[in-house]
Amino acid sequence: NAGVTQTPKFRVLKTGQSMTLLCAQDMNHEYMYWYRQDPGMGLRLIHYSVGEGTTAKGEVPDGYNVSRLKKQNFLLGLESAAPSQTSVYFCASNNILGSNYGYTFGSGTRLTVV
Amino acid sequence: AQKITQTQPGMFVQEKEAVTLDCTYDTSDQSYGLFWYKQPSSGEMIFLIYQGSYDEQNATEGRYSLNFQKARKSANLVISASQLGDSAMYFCAMREIQGAQKLVFGQGTRLTINP
Repeated sequence: NAGVTQTPKFRVLKTGQSMTLLCAQDMNHEYMYWYRQDPGMGLRLIHYSVGEGTTAKGEVPDGYNVSRLKKQNFLLGLESAAPSQTSVYFCASNNILGSNYGYTFGSGTRLTVV
Repeated sequence: AQKITQTQPGMFVQEKEAVTLDCTYDTSDQSYGLFWYKQPSSGEMIFLIYQGSYDEQNATEGRYSLNFQKARKSANLVISASQLGDSAMYFCAMREIQGAQKLVFGQGTRLTINP
């Protein structure tokens, strides 16, 4: 089925470990976004990309890096995980014309840093 | 900068009643879009309804309608005849029309429908 796929769905990390979250979309969307969701704070934008080879910082970029080497993939990296990065991470995509029917979201990655 | 405010952390409603979830926004842009998303306990983000800033009529999608009051900068979601399956977290969000079309979200309202 067409859409946004996030891997992994769950992960537990120890403080200081690194990991990469993968977001893959098969809709040929130009725009891709990484959000984190914390209780009482809604979804906050971490990084985003407006096309292959481009990335930009969002509202809460510290502690994260991203790459978009291929149009269909948007990777979110944590170089040295901290307990404050315990959160649910969502990837989303949108086409260049925008959609009045909303963005396509992945199912989320629940990350716990202990 | 754009900002979305949802002032109701939680709401409890009897089944079959109508419910209004509040959303106010702040932006200096003339053109923008407003969304409502539903997030059930399973965690996925479900698109409900969209309103463009130049749309003259309020958006409707089945039991959902958006009460758009531009001068007051409010975009409340109205759910008619609530059902048990409407129990979920609801997010209001604003899209910047220019640039990267980033979505800015409110804090969310947890709606519980009682039988």
